[in-house]
Amino acid sequence: ETGVTQTPRHLVMGMTNKKSLKCEQHLGHNAMYWYKQSAKKPLELMFVYSLEERVENNSVPSRFSPECPNSSHLFLHLHTLQPEDSALYLCASSQDNGAGAEAFFGQGTRLTVV
Amino acid sequence: GQSLEQPSEVTAVEGAIVQINCTYQTSGFYGLSWYQQHDGGAPTFLSYNALDGLEETGRFSSFLSRSDSYGYLLLQELQMKDSASYFCALNGNQAGTALIFGKGTTLSVSS
Repeated sequence: ETGVTQTPRHLVMGMTNKKSLKCEQHLGHNAMYWYKQSAKKPLELMFVYSLEERVENNSVPSRFSPECPNSSHLFLHLHTLQPEDSALYLCASSQDNGAGAEAFFGQGTRLTVV
Repeated sequence: GQSLEQPSEVTAVEGAIVQINCTYQTSGFYGLSWYQQHDGGAPTFLSYNALDGLEETGRFSSFLSRSDSYGYLLLQELQMKDSASYFCALNGNQAGTALIFGKGTTLSVSS
């Protein structure tokens, strides 16, 4: 496998459920990101991990909990979500060299909260 | 904070040239990037300007003017497959700082 892989591609969950989104990158990058993309809204940065340390949180509700066990894997744990959390969740990775770098995105997980 | 503004929609015909403008506000950044996203697809990198001036990559060119807080993406010889959303994004100037995106411009190319 190459690039950035996200699973599952589609997820429907109830407001009381707990689920996790998974992201895996095979590019040797040292930074990974979660973005949320809603209809008619920009890609909203949720979390940044650089060298497996969380760098930014961007005031994301606590019902979203990220985990980065190593430089190749990133998870987004979901619990007690709201219908307005329905969106496309995109994972990305880059080589964070402090000078700006191209980000590679996964295909995303289309989340529907019912 | 950081913010970017770009037109929401642009329409053009095949073979034409279209320019998508992007204005931004930031306290500091490394450069301005452009990404393309087709419906149902992942954003993919198109171009990056770290310095003022024009960067050319095939049919696509991108321009940056730091003094004007302005950039643009120029698409030449438009093809139907260029119909997509185009996002400008600021590359942060701190280690671990990710891309901050504009709202995107939907380009529709007709025959």
